[in-house]
Amino acid sequence: GQQLNQSPQSMFIQEGEDVSMNCTSSSIFNTWLWYKQEPGEGPVLLIALYKAGELTSNGRLTAQFGITRKDSFLNISASIPSDVGIYFCAGQSRTNAGKSTFGDGTTLTVKP
Amino acid sequence: DGGITQSPKYLFRKEGQNVTLSCEQNLNHDAMYWYRQDPGQGLRLIYYSQIVNDFQKGDIAEGYSVSREKKESFPLTVTSAQKNPTAFYLCASTPRVEVGQKLFFGSGTQLSVL
Repeated sequence: GQQLNQSPQSMFIQEGEDVSMNCTSSSIFNTWLWYKQEPGEGPVLLIALYKAGELTSNGRLTAQFGITRKDSFLNISASIPSDVGIYFCAGQSRTNAGKSTFGDGTTLTVKP
Repeated sequence: DGGITQSPKYLFRKEGQNVTLSCEQNLNHDAMYWYRQDPGQGLRLIYYSQIVNDFQKGDIAEGYSVSREKKESFPLTVTSAQKNPTAFYLCASTPRVEVGQKLFFGSGTQLSVL
């Protein structure tokens, strides 16, 4: 089946620093979604991307749909303690009937 | 407020026992999903349902069963055939099963084996 490689697996950063993470695949996706999950809770949608090359922002978060349609990137600027959590990418393709394939997540720790 | 409600939050299973996890949504979505999450791993699809009285196996359906008798409800039964059931289970919904749909998640159920 389709697989997503998400990196890095974890990040330990200082408050105020910028963060970058990405997902790559050998398969083409038609939609990319980025979620954040806090401990003991379900993931919450941050950003949705629908077209190759699309760049979308949500406050301090910016995500891009890669030109090849095989990757996506999430950047967080000026991190704050409440950014702590696990960030997941998810890809959807027509060949998988629109069902979502998830990366393994990036665990973000922000030191005050 | 509209959303997805999962219960219970914590569940314990004895060996050989079947347990059922509840998922209810009031978003009027046709499609519902069950995912399993293990520490350090992404979400893996167990079962999904596109419409009432219809459901399909996902990637890891063995040892699980579901029903979809009502649009609002999609319970998951973890059977005794599932030998490693300890995990965090997430229910989700979308208006339809198609590309571009945003998954809405419940707050999860942590299942542990006694």
